[in-house]
Amino acid sequence: EPEVTQTPSHQVTQMGQEVILRCVPISNHLYFYWYRQILGQKVEFLVSFYNNEISEKSEIFDDQFSVERPDGSNFTLKIRSTKLEDSAMYFCASSTTGNPSYEQYFGPGTRLTVT
Amino acid sequence: GENVEQHPSTLSVQEGDSAVIKCTYSDSASNYFPWYKQELGKRPQLIIDIRSNVGEKKDQRIAVTLNKTAKHFSLHITETQPEDSAVYFCAARTHGGSQGNLIFGKGTKLSVKP
Repeated sequence: EPEVTQTPSHQVTQMGQEVILRCVPISNHLYFYWYRQILGQKVEFLVSFYNNEISEKSEIFDDQFSVERPDGSNFTLKIRSTKLEDSAMYFCASSTTGNPSYEQYFGPGTRLTVT
Repeated sequence: GENVEQHPSTLSVQEGDSAVIKCTYSDSASNYFPWYKQELGKRPQLIIDIRSNVGEKKDQRIAVTLNKTAKHFSLHITETQPEDSAVYFCAARTHGGSQGNLIFGKGTKLSVKP
């Protein structure tokens, strides 16, 4: 069964540094998402992406964040200047187009640790 | 925006008993309600979902009920087993864009004691 993949599995960075988290969505999916989960807390929506542009974004997704689909397979989340509070597990998800399929398939996550 | 409340935050049951987790949502326009199971250190995995045109859905030991009037939905697990132990998240799909994002509840840590 196809799966969403993410790299790296764990990223350690210093405060103020830029990080890029990478995702490969399921190949026939057209909707892409980033979520984050601070340790022990709920999963929080960051941004959704369709047709090479952002569909929705949450309050968390400020100017420090950006997303890109640089080629036909990768979907990236960039944090320009990381803060301590950016430490979290970041999940990528993807879904197909059209009704009735709403299911979002999650990747295994990237644990980001900002020191 | 949508807000999802989930209760209880922790639930401990004996193997073989039933477990019920409840969620409420605020946006009456939400139309899709999935439940995810997350084992420690792993990705959330969809276990069951329900759409707003259906009141109940069952898949073996797992069932979900939806009350649109009251804006709440519940997960029922019967004949619980130790491998059901995990954190369970409910979510509601908002509108917006071509395919709305998911708003999650805070999760319920289910422990099934053998």
